Amino acid sequence: DQQVKQNSPSLSVQEGRISILNCDYTNSMFDYFLWYKKYPAEGPTFLISISSIKDKNEDGRFTVFLNKSAKHLSLHIVPSQPGDSAVYFCAAKETSGSRLTFGEGTQLTVNP
Amino acid sequence: NAGVTQTPKFQVLKTGQSMTLQCAQDMNHEYMSWYRQDPGMGLRLIHYSVGAGITDQGEVPNGYNVSRSTTEDFPLRLLSAAPSQTSVYFCASSYRKLNYGYTFGSGTRLTVV
Repeated sequence: DQQVKQNSPSLSVQEGRISILNCDYTNSMFDYFLWYKKYPAEGPTFLISISSIKDKNEDGRFTVFLNKSAKHLSLHIVPSQPGDSAVYFCAAKETSGSRLTFGEGTQLTVNP
Repeated sequence: NAGVTQTPKFQVLKTGQSMTLQCAQDMNHEYMSWYRQDPGMGLRLIHYSVGAGITDQGEVPNGYNVSRSTTEDFPLRLLSAAPSQTSVYFCASSYRKLNYGYTFGSGTRLTVV
């Protein structure tokens, strides 16, 4: 039972364009969502998060949108840079929980 | 400030052998977790701890044991290694509030032959 799903295993984008990574969830008890970025041979690093009381959070080139009615969140990267090429994981936390549930990941490739 | 330190970085085991993956954090985080990463399956939670002396099972706990005798350390024990446990293992830690999620270690790549 995959509660957090990233349906696109890979995404390829031109440098300077927008990258949009998508994530769907099924558990209504999730109240906090996070995006992580992972380079090969390194651990995931935190990128940006959003609480369920918000629908948008922005940090520089990264914006996360949350659509609670659709149980969908997306990460927008504008403009995309070659250094953004990595695997991106979305993750979710239940209300008063301590565990993060991760999606399968999306490999983003930004071409120069 | 070292963050989350995992040792070893690489390990090859024979089927049936046991070993312990070490994890230590120096940020005084209450929460610690172990995940495994397999192709196409993302990060799956093995065991987690909300404080010293308290541990609980995650999604895929079978074949693994943990203990948390101190705030800093959270070792993962493989009792009798199987080829299905070939994976990359990540330890992570966090403050209770989880506002910035978990801080991850750099991983241990384990191969069981």
